[in-house]
Amino acid sequence: AQSVTQPDIHITVSEGASLELRCNYSYGATPYLFWYVQSPGQGLQLLLKYFSGDTLVQGIKGFEAEFKRSQSSFNLRKPSVHWSDAAEYFCAVGAAAGNKLTFGGGTRVLVKP
Amino acid sequence: EADIYQTPRYLVIGTGKKITLECSQTMGHDKMYWYQQDPGMELHLIHYSYGVNSTEKGDLSSESTVSRIRTEHFPLTLESARPSHTSQYLCASSGIGRNTEAFFGQGTRLTVV
Repeated sequence: AQSVTQPDIHITVSEGASLELRCNYSYGATPYLFWYVQSPGQGLQLLLKYFSGDTLVQGIKGFEAEFKRSQSSFNLRKPSVHWSDAAEYFCAVGAAAGNKLTFGGGTRVLVKP
Repeated sequence: EADIYQTPRYLVIGTGKKITLECSQTMGHDKMYWYQQDPGMELHLIHYSYGVNSTEKGDLSSESTVSRIRTEHFPLTLESARPSHTSQYLCASSGIGRNTEAFFGQGTRLTVV
């Protein structure tokens, strides 16, 4: 069975500082990995995805993530956060690109002025 | 632009009432999903469909039912709402093929009083 762990429930970061959100997955085959962002009261918006190829993937809003097979990790990073980045971030894994997803518990990001 | 719509956005209803949450997508996607998300918690898959007249239960047991009579429409029904059904319900859809991802609706926040 596939599973996703996001070790950090909350992260507080100052505006302009860098951000890294951790994601560890468990899956028996090559995983399809995703990061979604959810603003309060909203649905989920896809930030980026990894299917194969280059292990460093670029997404929207200046986010990037690195797939490390040896560590079963897919951490999300942003060099300089903006106040509008305050939201909940979810890592997800799927058996294929369009198949059902298993989500991690989410990390809530707070941005200090 | 991905178009997947959920109505209503918010619903407060009394115990014992029958409710239907609507989900429609205009992308022609074959696969559709319903996730349940309690406040501040992860998403759990409760139903999915890989095409017309195909529905399956997800990883989290739910008293709700779904139907898929048309490709674009995937409604979720609760025959008799209870306070334990209070949650946010998110609908998603995805296409087939290697590089498609799930697109999410804005969600329906259901409160049963």
